[in-house]
Amino acid sequence: NAGVTQTPKFQVLKTGQSMTLQCAQDMNHNSMYWYRQDPGMGLRLIYYSASEGTTDKGEVPNGYNVSRLNKREFSLRLESAAPSQTSVYFCASRTYTEAFFGQGTRLTVV
Amino acid sequence: QKEVEQNSGPLSVPEGAIASLNCTYSDRGSQSFFWYRQYSGKSPELIMFIYSNGDKEDGRFTAQLNKASQYVSLLIRDSQPSDSATYLCAVNNGNKLVFGAGTILRVKS
Repeated sequence: NAGVTQTPKFQVLKTGQSMTLQCAQDMNHNSMYWYRQDPGMGLRLIYYSASEGTTDKGEVPNGYNVSRLNKREFSLRLESAAPSQTSVYFCASRTYTEAFFGQGTRLTVV
Repeated sequence: QKEVEQNSGPLSVPEGAIASLNCTYSDRGSQSFFWYRQYSGKSPELIMFIYSNGDKEDGRFTAQLNKASQYVSLLIRDSQPSDSATYLCAVNNGNKLVFGAGTILRVKS
């Protein structure tokens, strides 16, 4: 049982490049989330998806897009990366009583 | 006003003492609440879920919820050096799950 799997684990981008962070869960959960974590800032919600086919903005959506490809997969896209997007990104899926997190993607934009 | 607020700490307690972590939230309609623990460089892991007013105990951990005052707290009894971590409070509003900035706890042996 893999739980929540994120790829890649590490990535370095140049300013202006684009990339997609992938997330997949095998627990048949409806709700999935993308967060970013910066030092001293906790987890800030970027986007979430309550069910397949729906997405909603969180606290810090600017500069990002998401796709809920199917029930298992929820991807996060940076169209034109900026140094301010250097962060650790976590994907999560949840039941009513628990959110399960992936191992995180450490992204550096230079 | 932030949706979820926590004192960033660090909170330092001696080994064996009770650590008390607090969290306040702004949306009175918030339905349920979580406490997560996060070690440096790792993913958050669930400690406690609570949705009813009052206390909920699980081993050395007790969560306390007061919806009228809009706060949720976490007590850690008999604190151990291995409890040293960042503790994150999360608030559920519908399908939206919002976290606080976390409180750093240091347990000194």
